[in-house]
Amino acid sequence: GENVEQHPSTLSVQEGDSAVIKCTYSDSASNYFPWYKQELGKRPQLIIDIRSNVGEKKDQRIAVTLNKTAKHFSLHITETQPEDSAVYFCAASRSSSASKIIFGSGTRLSIRP
Amino acid sequence: DSGVTQTPKHLITATGQRVTLRCSPRSGDLSVYWYQQSLDQGLQFLIQYYNGEERAKGNILERFSAQQFPDLHSELNLSSLELGDSALYFCASSVGLAGRGQETQYFGPGTRLLVL
Repeated sequence: GENVEQHPSTLSVQEGDSAVIKCTYSDSASNYFPWYKQELGKRPQLIIDIRSNVGEKKDQRIAVTLNKTAKHFSLHITETQPEDSAVYFCAASRSSSASKIIFGSGTRLSIRP
Repeated sequence: DSGVTQTPKHLITATGQRVTLRCSPRSGDLSVYWYQQSLDQGLQFLIQYYNGEERAKGNILERFSAQQFPDLHSELNLSSLELGDSALYFCASSVGLAGRGQETQYFGPGTRLLVL
C-alpha cells in the first residue's frame, strides 16, 4: 500500500547550522508534498508545500526539494534558530478525489544553543 | 489560528463510555479530515468527508464513527472507549479535494482525550 518513510526520527543540530529531513514515498502517482511543523502540544502547521511539476521551492530559511524519479523529497532549514525546535512531518498525496494524504512518522528536531 | 475550531479542548472519561468530538472547518472549506495522534506518535488518518459525504477511510476502528452535517461541521463519535483510545484527536479542513488541487489541509487545535 501507500507509504511515506521519513528520516531521521530525531535530529539535533547546533544553532546556526542547517538541518535536512528526508522522505521517500511509494506511490509514484503522488504529486503533492506538504511539510508540517508541530510544536509540543500544538496543532500541525503547514510550513511549505511542493507539487510534482516543481523541483524546488524556497521560503526564507526553508526549502523543499523533490526528486520524482527517486521518489524522494527533502526539507532544508538553514541558519537554524531555537524556535525551529519541533516535530516535522512530511506527507504525500495524489490527484485523486478519493485519495487520502499519507504522513511520514515525524522527525523531532532539537536546536542546541 | 488556522480558522478550524474543535471542541472540547480536553475530555476525561471512563472506559466503556461514549464521547463526541466536534469540528468546524474554515469558512469556505468543504472537506474535513480526522486524525488520531497518540503520545509521541505520528498522525494516524481516520476518515475524510467532503460536502457531507464520506470520501476516504483510514485505520478507523468500528467503534468510531463520524459524519459531516449540512452546515459542514463534523462530529467524531468514539464509543466503548478503551484506555488505548487516549490520544489527541485533530480535525483538519481543506477547500476541496486532491483531484482539484485544493487539498492543502489546515489543522484545528485538537481535542485531548483521556480515558481512565
